Amino acid sequence: DTEVTQTPKHLVMGMTNKKSLKCEQHMGHRAMYWYKQKAKKPPELMFVYSYEKLSINESVPSRFSPECPNSSLLNLHLHALQPEDSALYLCASSQDSGAGFNEQFFGPGTRLTVL
Amino acid sequence: AQSVTQLGSHVSVSEGALVLLRCNYSSSVPPYLFWYVQYPNQGLQLLLKYTSAATLVKGINGFEAEFKKSETSFHLTKPSAHMSDAAEYFCAVSRSGAGSYQLTFGKGTKLSVIP
Repeated sequence: DTEVTQTPKHLVMGMTNKKSLKCEQHMGHRAMYWYKQKAKKPPELMFVYSYEKLSINESVPSRFSPECPNSSLLNLHLHALQPEDSALYLCASSQDSGAGFNEQFFGPGTRLTVL
Repeated sequence: AQSVTQLGSHVSVSEGALVLLRCNYSSSVPPYLFWYVQYPNQGLQLLLKYTSAATLVKGINGFEAEFKKSETSFHLTKPSAHMSDAAEYFCAVSRSGAGSYQLTFGKGTKLSVIP
């Protein structure tokens, strides 16, 4: 199984809502990533988890809160978002984060709209 | 520091014509290079990667790329374009050692295929 799955596919939320994005992989990868992608732009790295521990936070606002319950699952909790946070949120995984030659496998993304 | 420059934000080719998407990189250490494709409203799919084993790399869907150290280039080619190749293409670079988690993307090239 070489697939990264993400749910939901689409999410619309108000600025006062709390919601979560979910990502799952069963490739035995020990590194997982969250990216944000705006229209016509490349993905921007938000967080890196390595062996279930948060290793990189790219100065992401605290209204985004990642969680890695186990080696296969990655969540992104959303609270009090702003309209400018509307984007495609991509999850990715790789064998580990310490070897640059390991490709990252991307999920299909969650299209988030903040009203 | 590492960076990627993709020449041409939009490339149009006729069906059956050669596809050439340009990528130049900058890296202070030997790089690992990747080409990803993104279809509308989908995640990124790996086309091919260079990890120093061979300078000519063959990927999926008939694509290949050649690593040229002297030109710091990793251009993507396909002999004959199909309509299904229409998508956004991203070149990316990573590295070994410190910061190896960082996958630095180019700005992307949108490929249009004209019937």
